[in-house]
Amino acid sequence: DAKTTQPNSMESNEEEPVHLPCNHSTISGTDYIHWYRQLPSQGPEYVIHGLTSNVNNRMASLAIAEDRKSSTLILHRATLRDAAVYYCILRGDSNYQLIWGAGTKLIIKP
Amino acid sequence: DTGVSQNPRHKITKRGQNVTFRCDPISEHNRLYWYRQTLGQGPEFLTYFQNEAQLEKSRLLSDRFSAERPKGSFSTLEIQRTEQGDSAMYLCASRRESYNSPLHFGNGTRLTVT
Repeated sequence: DAKTTQPNSMESNEEEPVHLPCNHSTISGTDYIHWYRQLPSQGPEYVIHGLTSNVNNRMASLAIAEDRKSSTLILHRATLRDAAVYYCILRGDSNYQLIWGAGTKLIIKP
Repeated sequence: DTGVSQNPRHKITKRGQNVTFRCDPISEHNRLYWYRQTLGQGPEFLTYFQNEAQLEKSRLLSDRFSAERPKGSFSTLEIQRTEQGDSAMYLCASRRESYNSPLHFGNGTRLTVT
């Protein structure tokens, strides 16, 4: 599984949109891009995933670059409950060994 | 669904003791994973089951670690002769059969080895 690169931390104001970037320059054609988040003292929680096209669900949107070497998780209106560590990971043919980096710690300011 | 359940939530043990953790996955999920997570790091893959068969095991996993999933339901992770370096959060996750079904994680067992 290829690796991803994310900023260590980001800050945002409550009720504003948040764009969390992820670089995955070694992504292969069959790798899906998955995002999870982890709130304090909890296990990770699935957020969204995509392959080529942008994706939306009730939690977030995923924008994938045309060359697929980067993606952005978009939280449209951040709340204090969105403060968490966000992980961008690639899932290929292997069975979810998944290489998890340290993720991005999102801090939401009231 | 009732979610993935892990017990105990916390375990403190002395170096050299054996410990066992339990994971109850979501009932219709046939895939089960164990991960380890240390402070400030993402989860690190340990091992993976499809039903009762253990299909993958991390090359970094010491032979003091063993996992089972009898009858393809709950799973146990045992650490023998614990060391201080084993102190970590142990996470269990399960998912459905379909290729891109997401992982559902439990809230983990925090192990402290003194």
